[in-house]
Amino acid sequence: NAGVTQTPKFQVLKTGQSMTLQCAQDMNHNSMYWYRQDPGMGLRLIYYSASEGTTDKGEVPNGYNVSRLNKREFSLRLESAAPSQTSVYFCASILNSNQPQHFGDGTRLSIL
Amino acid sequence: DQQVKQNSPSLSVQEGRISILNCDYTNSMFDYFLWYKKYPAEGPTFLISISSIKDKNEDGRFTVFLNKSAKHLSLHIVPSQPGDSAVYFCAAAQGTYKYIFGTGTRLKVLA
Repeated sequence: NAGVTQTPKFQVLKTGQSMTLQCAQDMNHNSMYWYRQDPGMGLRLIYYSASEGTTDKGEVPNGYNVSRLNKREFSLRLESAAPSQTSVYFCASILNSNQPQHFGDGTRLSIL
Repeated sequence: DQQVKQNSPSLSVQEGRISILNCDYTNSMFDYFLWYKKYPAEGPTFLISISSIKDKNEDGRFTVFLNKSAKHLSLHIVPSQPGDSAVYFCAAAQGTYKYIFGTGTRLKVLA
């Protein structure tokens, strides 16, 4: 049972390059999330998708776009990467509201 | 504006003793609260949750307490074990799909 799978696990980009982080879940969950984790800042919500076909902004959406490709997949795109976007990115999913989220193991992204 | 706050970045406890991790929130509309544990190079894993209609929830060595009037949440781990050493995050939701996390507390359990 894979749960939530994120690809790639590591990536180094140059400033201005674009990149799409992939996330897929095999638990038939309805809602999916993207967070970033920075030292001293905890986990901050970037975007979420309550159900297939819908997306909403979180706390820190600027510089990112998302696509809920289908019920299983939720991708995060950086159109023009900036050093401030260096972070660890986590994808999560839940079946319904007020239930625990299941997280992937993260993507470590460095932007030079 | 940080809606969920964990004011202690770190905590050290002797093995066998109680660990108490604290979390404060500002939004009185939050109605569901969770604690997650995170090891290095892994994603957070769910530990325990509590609905706003309760003030306590237990699961083995882990107990979560909710004080709605103080807007305060705490996690008690008894007895603490070296394997409990990790970063602990509290999170809150308000009946929607938006979950807000605190900044985390690093717990070190000393053998």
